[in-house]
Formats: sequence, C-alpha cells, structure tokens
Amino acid sequence: DARVTQTPRHKVTEMGQEVTMRCQPILGHNTVFWYRQTMMQGLELLAYFRNRAPLDDSGMPKDRFSAEMPDATLATLKIQPSEPRDSAVYFCASGLGYRGDEQYFGPGTRLTVT
Amino acid sequence: QKEVEQNSGPLSVPEGAIASLNCTYSDRGSQSFFWYRQYSGKSPELIMSIYSNGDKEDGRFTAQLNKASQYVSLLIRDSQPSDSATYLCAVNGGGSQGNLIFGKGTKLSVKP
Repeated sequence: DARVTQTPRHKVTEMGQEVTMRCQPILGHNTVFWYRQTMMQGLELLAYFRNRAPLDDSGMPKDRFSAEMPDATLATLKIQPSEPRDSAVYFCASGLGYRGDEQYFGPGTRLTVT
Repeated sequence: QKEVEQNSGPLSVPEGAIASLNCTYSDRGSQSFFWYRQYSGKSPELIMSIYSNGDKEDGRFTAQLNKASQYVSLLIRDSQPSDSATYLCAVNGGGSQGNLIFGKGTKLSVKP
C-alpha cells in the first residue's frame, strides 16, 4: 500500500526551539512538495524538489525555514527558531512531477508553537 | 499572481441530492485540474483529475472543465452524509514543474 509518511504527527514546542519534520515520499515518485495549511491562508506551497534538487522555495520564510532531501526516500523541513505564527499543519506530498501529474499527500504534522 | 477561487460555503444539500461545487482559475495556460476531498483533521485526498474540456465521470462524481471560461466544477450525485467534507480545487501552476495552486476550498454538508 503505497503512501506518503510523515513524522512526527504532532509536535508541541516552545518559541525559539528547533523543529524538524520528516517525510518519506511514495517509492518511485521523484517530486516532493511541502505545504502549510492554516484556517486563514488555506494550503500554501512552501517548497518542492525534483530528483532531490530544490526547484522552488519562494513560499518559504528563508530566515528561519530550510528544506532538504538528503536522499530519495527522505525530505526534511526545519524551522529554527520557531515562532507562534508557525503553528499550522504541515503536509508533504509526492508525485511524478510532470505538468499533468497528481500529488498524493501524507497525513501531516500538526505543529503548535507556544 | 495565479489564483484559484472557490466559494467557501458552507454548501448544504439534503441526502440524495446533487451537490455542485465550482472553481475558477486565473491562468489561461493551466492544463491540469484536480479535485481533492479533505475531511476535518485529515489530509487532502485526490478524487478527480481532468485535463480536457468536457465531462469526466467516476462513480457518483463528475468533473466538468471549460477552459474558455476558466471554470472547473465537481458534481456529486446521490450525496451521502459521508461526502460532508471540504473540497479543494487545484490547478497546475504552469510550465512543466508540476506544482499545483489550490483554492481555499468549499465546505460541503450533506444533511440526512
């Protein structure tokens, strides 16, 4: 049963702490997307990779967020230092990355920064 | 800025009725269109994709695309309470990169 996995599923942390979220894309998918969802903004694209290379991270606050793909089976999103306004659900999605292709979402990481 | 617009709802329909969800997009160059369903507290789940003008049917779901009017819709026939969810319209962001632009979603409530 191919699916995207994400860890942790929930994270509560204090302002100023580092947060790392992990994603394992579906085997064979070469494109990975990071999204953030809030009630106010909806689903926002933060960054995405194809074949492990970053294609676009313009949606990401560069001063505190970073995204990497150390290998084809792992993508990470890091926030350092975290702030209360970062509280949201962070989704990873994977796909084959072509213009017509679908994306499949992981279960998300619900982040609360106090 | 490329945009995807949806009525936020809530859209309330009685069980057994047809639910009609609509979406407009700004980029005439968009080629791929998707509908995702998101239950409260869950992740978006792909339910339909459409690439050509006209209708595409899958079970109780029909997606309709009109590129000239930049309009995509989703019809749900014989609506069930289990269809109650937020429906997200997504459009490819242009070029060959594969990114999607999402609308903010329409909340559907199906009343028994």
